[in-house]
Amino acid sequence: EPEVTQTPSHQVTQMGQEVILRCVPISNHLYFYWYRQILGQKVEFLVSFYNNEISEKSEIFDDQFSVERPDGSNFTLKIRSTKLEDSAMYFCASGLESGSGELFFGEGSRLTVL
Amino acid sequence: KQEVTQIPAALSVPEGENLVLNCSFTDSAIYNLQWFRQDPGKGLTSLLLIQSSQREQTSGRLNASLDKSSGRSTLYIAASQPGDSATYLCAVPANYGQNFVFGPGTRLSVLP
Repeated sequence: EPEVTQTPSHQVTQMGQEVILRCVPISNHLYFYWYRQILGQKVEFLVSFYNNEISEKSEIFDDQFSVERPDGSNFTLKIRSTKLEDSAMYFCASGLESGSGELFFGEGSRLTVL
Repeated sequence: KQEVTQIPAALSVPEGENLVLNCSFTDSAIYNLQWFRQDPGKGLTSLLLIQSSQREQTSGRLNASLDKSSGRSTLYIAASQPGDSATYLCAVPANYGQNFVFGPGTRLSVLP
């Protein structure tokens, strides 16, 4: 069964360092998302991406964050200068349709900022 | 702004019991509602998707219902098993947007 894959599963970094989290969405999906979950808290929306551009983003997704789909298969989330409060599980998701469609999530990338 | 709540926050039941998890949302203008399962430290597994035109959706021992007008959904788990132990999350689209708003989840423990 097709699945969303994410790498790395766990990354430890120093505050101020750049981090890139990678995702391979399901191949025929058109809509791509990043969510995050701080330990013990709700899953929160970060950004959605369609047709090679950001279609929606939350207040969390500030100038420190960026997304890219560099080669038609990978979907990346970059955090330019990590802060302690960026420590969280980051989930990539993809869907075939917008809004009315089912979302499929990856296993997540745990980011620990020291 | 769409907000999602879930009750109970945690539930512990003996194996074999039937149980109901509840999800409420504030804005009834939704396309669909999706239930997920999350095991500790893992990703979200889609369980059921109910479209706004549907009232019910079933998969195996799981049955989800949707009452849009009252802003509620329930997830019914029949004959619970220890392997059902996980956190169950519901999510709805945010105000016709593409992104989903998640509830805080119900942490379920099924005791052998």
